[in-house]
Amino acid sequence: GAVVSQHPSRVICKSGTSVKIECRSLDFQATTMFWYRQFPKKSLMLMATSNEGSKATYEQGVEKDKFLINHASLTLSTLTVTSAHPEDSSFYICSARDLGAHEYTQYFGPGTRLTVL
Amino acid sequence: KNQVEQSPQSLIILEGKNCTLQCNYTVSPFSNLRWYKQDTGRGPVSLTIMTFSENTKSNGRYTATLDADTKQSSLHITASQLSDSASYICVVSVRLSGGYNKLIFGAGTRLAVHP
Repeated sequence: GAVVSQHPSRVICKSGTSVKIECRSLDFQATTMFWYRQFPKKSLMLMATSNEGSKATYEQGVEKDKFLINHASLTLSTLTVTSAHPEDSSFYICSARDLGAHEYTQYFGPGTRLTVL
Repeated sequence: KNQVEQSPQSLIILEGKNCTLQCNYTVSPFSNLRWYKQDTGRGPVSLTIMTFSENTKSNGRYTATLDADTKQSSLHITASQLSDSASYICVVSVRLSGGYNKLIFGAGTRLAVHP
């Protein structure tokens, strides 16, 4: 089946630094990628929808200047958490919609655990 | 308001037993309903996807049902195994203008299978 990878799988950083998370579709092209955040024992919350070659669409309450999203190619989207603070510590998950498959098809990455000290 | 509610919040069963997880939703307009399995510290993995016209779908020991009239779904796990220990998430897709879908996630049921 289709595979979505994320890198890094976990990262620990100091408060005030920026962290970049990569999301790649390994064997398919994805015009649309999604970024989610999940707090412990909570459901996934959509942060933004990223379309290749255009600006991301952010959900209400998500600061676009803090969570920078770049979707430069059909197989790569990046999420940069700028000036990270401890409250940004969370599990970040991306997903990708397969361009060539049924519109319902959406594959999730393994997630990135961010800890801000 | 589009919402997906799951019950129970957590469940403990013995290996080899069956269990059923519940999902109620208030989503409109409905596009499809999905069940995902999420292992701790991992991303969700799709188990089943059902559209409005489908009322049951199986994937190995997993069987999902959908009642679009009452807006309820269930996930039945047969002959549970230790590896079934995970969170099971009910996700309902809502059709937005322009033909796009948005996923509404339930909080999940945390299943623990004990030997």
